[in-house]
Amino acid sequence: AQKITQTQPGMFVQEKEAVTLDCTYDTSDQSYGLFWYKQPSSGEMIFLIYQGSYDEQNATEGRYSLNFQKARKSANLVISASQLGDSAMYFCAMREGWAGTASKLTFGTGTRLQVTL
Amino acid sequence: DAGVTQSPTHLIKTRGQQVTLRCSPKSGHDTVSWYQQALGQGPQFIFQYYEEEERQRGNFPDRFSGHQFPNYSSELNVNALLLGDSALYLCASSRRGSSNSPLHFGNGTRLTVT
Repeated sequence: AQKITQTQPGMFVQEKEAVTLDCTYDTSDQSYGLFWYKQPSSGEMIFLIYQGSYDEQNATEGRYSLNFQKARKSANLVISASQLGDSAMYFCAMREGWAGTASKLTFGTGTRLQVTL
Repeated sequence: DAGVTQSPTHLIKTRGQQVTLRCSPKSGHDTVSWYQQALGQGPQFIFQYYEEEERQRGNFPDRFSGHQFPNYSSELNVNALLLGDSALYLCASSRRGSSNSPLHFGNGTRLTVT
């Protein structure tokens, strides 16, 4: 079974609207972390938001929020007030266990978001 | 504050050749990891280095090797290149003991094997 599943290959959203990008994960670890990254066509992976498995509140970073539902093993990214510059690939990723460092991430296959006028 | 820098940005090699990719971590970071991203896929973990040793490795053959230098910079070497090695190679850095901190990625090296 895939550890990170992103079921939406592509999404469209109108400028200024909100959009939710889905992510489900599979792990038997109690301690894990979930990350969202944005990858523009330039190739750089840009960190957006982090949620730890023991965090009781959903993470928020500016226009980004993470809808964390632990029992359902989902960690959906919500982008509010979409902007044209949000058009990019979005990856959900997971760190399992406590490794002392966040280096080893498992990534999903990504969702391509297109923001339209 | 310089972020993660990678060189070269693009590279074209022939099957069977060897290639070396370079990475300088973000200032203050001591751990470097390498990822391979094939077209249309998410990045796949290759390996991680800190204290100049390989600490974790993903499911990649021994043709993929690396090195970390005392200044924390790193190299990724790939021997006997195959067409399937064509991909974007991403370097990421982090600081040990900060598992909740995000990885900082470079812009990547796009390798084409012909």
